[in-house]
Amino acid sequence: GAGVSQSPSNKVTEKGKDVELRCDPISGHTALYWYRQSLGQGLEFLIYFQGNSAPDKSGLPSDRFSAERTGGSVSTLTIQRTQQEDSAVYLCASSLSGGGWETQYFGPGTRLLVL
Amino acid sequence: GQQLNQSPQSMFIQEGEDVSMNCTSSSIFNTWLWYKQDPGEGPVLLIALYKAGELTSNGRLTAQFGITRKDSFLNISASIPSDVGIYFCAGGPNNAGNMLTFGGGTRLMVKP
Repeated sequence: GAGVSQSPSNKVTEKGKDVELRCDPISGHTALYWYRQSLGQGLEFLIYFQGNSAPDKSGLPSDRFSAERTGGSVSTLTIQRTQQEDSAVYLCASSLSGGGWETQYFGPGTRLLVL
Repeated sequence: GQQLNQSPQSMFIQEGEDVSMNCTSSSIFNTWLWYKQDPGEGPVLLIALYKAGELTSNGRLTAQFGITRKDSFLNISASIPSDVGIYFCAGGPNNAGNMLTFGGGTRLMVKP
């Protein structure tokens, strides 16, 4: 079946503009995660959605970052007033029910460049 | 917060050589996972370990869950050019929460 998909694949924006990144998880997966990967770095956890529960936003680096998950499926990560340090690959992952022992399936990522 | 120290940060080896990388932590994890990320792609799960002391193989890959639950290693035997990529370890969950904690990655380069 289809894996996790993300759009756009690449996004170039000007400093100060807002951007929206989209993630379509695997059908039937109730847990969805957003990570950020800076050039040559590991994965930085941003936010976690599990079913209808309140999301875990503990990894969001500032109040310019927000995310929504509508209908328990598609998620949108929004970055307001982008800064150059926001340039990174934004990865989305989903898992079946959200247990930490579960396999997380990753999408290909959105490469964001803020000029 | 929790941290995983992954080493080495990068390796440049000759095709056919064996590779070993490891992750250590000051915290106990109940699960260890190893992912590989190809250039321009998202990470893909290679091996999952659920029990202290567990040794698991997947083709040329072998990984072990350390007996202390604070470390894990991944070995790749007889490396080939398509092994190139970034290998990440991840630990979770433990008393600190349900999230996976990722290591910084080992960048592997293979010379044909």
